[in-house]
Amino acid sequence: QVQLVQSGAEVKKPGASLKVSCTASGYTFTSYYLLWVRQAPGQGLEWMGMINPTGGSTSYAQKFQGRVTMTRDTSTSTVYMELSSLRSEDTAVYYCARTQGHYYGMDVWGQGTTVTVSS
Amino acid sequence: QSVLTQPPSASGTPGQRVTISCSGSSSNIGSNTVNWYQQLPGTAPKLLIYNNNQRPSGVPDRFSGSKSGTSASLAISGLQSEDEADYYCSAWDDSLAVFGGGTKVTVL
Repeated sequence: QVQLVQSGAEVKKPGASLKVSCTASGYTFTSYYLLWVRQAPGQGLEWMGMINPTGGSTSYAQKFQGRVTMTRDTSTSTVYMELSSLRSEDTAVYYCARTQGHYYGMDVWGQGTTVTVSS
Repeated sequence: QSVLTQPPSASGTPGQRVTISCSGSSSNIGSNTVNWYQQLPGTAPKLLIYNNNQRPSGVPDRFSGSKSGTSASLAISGLQSEDEADYYCSAWDDSLAVFGGGTKVTVL
């Protein structure tokens, strides 16, 4: 079946970097954009950016420009999200999701990766 | 502060109709389609409505969406206990996605 499986929970110290993976299966990897959305404890959803698995082009939310990097490995149908210079406010659940484009919504989501940033 | 504005809460008794509003601007809802997501406690969001009023396969027809100008709404008719969740609207704003702050629906 179609699924996105994310890497496990992480605990990081302030200033460190984070790399979360999202492996797709059950569909053609290059047919859907992959996006990253995070949710801080008790808060709403926040879009971080997206990657086109076909050519690797990316688009990032301005808030994360300079701190986030999204990459993909087509040989393993995996996308990665790296976030640097972590601070306590980055404590959140990070989700990957797929979409075919603007008209289609994010129809499949990963299970989420809990990231805790604490000294 | 979210780009799209939703009421923080809504409630109803079983069988009632509940409506959630989502207000945006000309650069997001006014120019693009709206999607709605349902998030049950402790789980990932689930796509409920896409392209303003389309339901993915498996979503009950109790859920419906509409859009007019720079606003959109989600209606839940025949409210059921399992509908108790957080609901988020979303739209594209140029090349980035924006969300509402979420509405917690309580079934009384």
